[in-house]
Amino acid sequence: QLQLQESGPGLVRPSETLSLTCTVSGGSISSSSYFWSWIRQPPGKGLEWIGSIYSSGSTFYNPSLKSRVTISIDTSKNQFSLKLSSVTAADTAVYYCTSEVNSSSHFWGQGALVTVSS
Amino acid sequence: QSALTQPPSASGSPGQSVTISCTGTSSDVGAYNYVSWYQQHPGKAPKVMIYEVTKRPSGVPDRFSGSKSGNMAYLTVSGLQAEDEADYYCSSHAGAHVVFGGGTKLTVL
Repeated sequence: QLQLQESGPGLVRPSETLSLTCTVSGGSISSSSYFWSWIRQPPGKGLEWIGSIYSSGSTFYNPSLKSRVTISIDTSKNQFSLKLSSVTAADTAVYYCTSEVNSSSHFWGQGALVTVSS
Repeated sequence: QSALTQPPSASGSPGQSVTISCTGTSSDVGAYNYVSWYQQHPGKAPKVMIYEVTKRPSGVPDRFSGSKSGNMAYLTVSGLQAEDEADYYCSSHAGAHVVFGGGTKLTVL
């Protein structure tokens, strides 16, 4: 059973870059079975898919965020990461990392609240 | 505004059935059989209840079922139970990305 855990700063200043890491246990991030994804949820609002990465390094991004998002993978550490640049208050959200198969997220991290504020 | 459209709320009494709709387009729901439904209780991470339109992960009660017709997908919950009260989200493959619905709050009366 895969387990995922998000980590990173809970507070980011406006205009700076949000950085989160997801550590995967219970399986290899190099597995050909999964895409590794980030999904966020602003307080009291719905889910928004940010993007995903395959073990080969191929990435896929939400068109509305593509200019600000970078997702990377570190197979040696069994981790993948999210960077979101030029953040504003609208980027305040709970950020989830997930494992995705055929566009369905079957395993989720517990979520990390990131607040954008000065 | 979400890419997929869901009714904001739905309700039913214990034991009844309720169906939640998810309206997409010919570029997402209508184009691929990769529609998922997620259940989210307050303060918890979402949980996949249906994937690839009709499939149920191990451990999900068979009271939950999914279907699709054209650009619309549906989640039906039969034999409603108190613990089914939650937010439900649909999602779909949309080419090179994934889109979500805005969510439906299911209330068990």
